[in-house]
Amino acid sequence: DAMVIQNPRYQVTQFGKPVTLSCSQTLNHNVMYWYQQKSSQAPKLLFHYYDKDFNNEADTPDNFQSRRPNTSFCFLDIRSPGLGDAAMYLCATSTFRDRGLTQHFGDGTRLSIL
Amino acid sequence: QQQVKQSPQSLIVQKGGISIINCAYENTAFDYFPWYQQFPGKGPALLIAIRPDVSEKKEGRFTISFNKSAKQFSLHIMDSQPGDSATYFCAASDRNDMRFGAGTRLTVKP
Repeated sequence: DAMVIQNPRYQVTQFGKPVTLSCSQTLNHNVMYWYQQKSSQAPKLLFHYYDKDFNNEADTPDNFQSRRPNTSFCFLDIRSPGLGDAAMYLCATSTFRDRGLTQHFGDGTRLSIL
Repeated sequence: QQQVKQSPQSLIVQKGGISIINCAYENTAFDYFPWYQQFPGKGPALLIAIRPDVSEKKEGRFTISFNKSAKQFSLHIMDSQPGDSATYFCAASDRNDMRFGAGTRLTVKP
C-alpha cells in the first residue's frame, strides 16, 4: 500500500544533542510537510516543500532545519533540542494540485528530551 | 493567531448517542473544511470534508453541518460507538494553507 512512513516511531535524545527524524513516502507526492504536535494541541506546521522549493513558516525556530534529497525522502533536523521541543513530529504529503485539500499523514515520531 | 477555534476540548458520550464537535473560523478566504480523525499512536486521517457551497454533507454516521454566514461548522457522529473514540481535528483551508483546530478528544463509553 502507498503510504507515508516515519522512522523512528520513538526517539530519545539528550538536551542539546542533534537529532534527525526521517520521513519516506511511496505516494510520489511533490509536497511534503513537517508538523509539530504537542499534547492536546493542533498540529503546528513547521515547514513544507513544493518539490525542492523549501517554505519555512515565519515562527519556526532556526533550531529546526529540513532536507529533501529526493521526492521520496524528507528529514527534520533539530540542531540543539531543548526541553520544549519534546513533541510528536508528523510528516504529511500532498499533490501540488490537492495542497490544502488532502494531506496524508505518517504515524509520527514521538521525541523525548532527557 | 488561532484561525480555527474548536470546542469542546474533550467529550464523553454513551454508546449509541450523538457526538457533536463545533468549529469556528475567521478567515473568509477559507473554502475547504475537512475533519481529521486521529487514534492514539497514529497520524491524523481524513474523515470527511465539505465546501462552503453546501450546508450539509453526510457520509454514513458522520455529518458535517456548515453555516457560512456564521463562519461555523460542526461534526455530528450519530450512533456513536466505542471504536469512534479518538481525537478529532477540524481544519480550514484556502487551497494553499491548511489550519487545524486544537482537537477534541472523544470517548464513547460502552
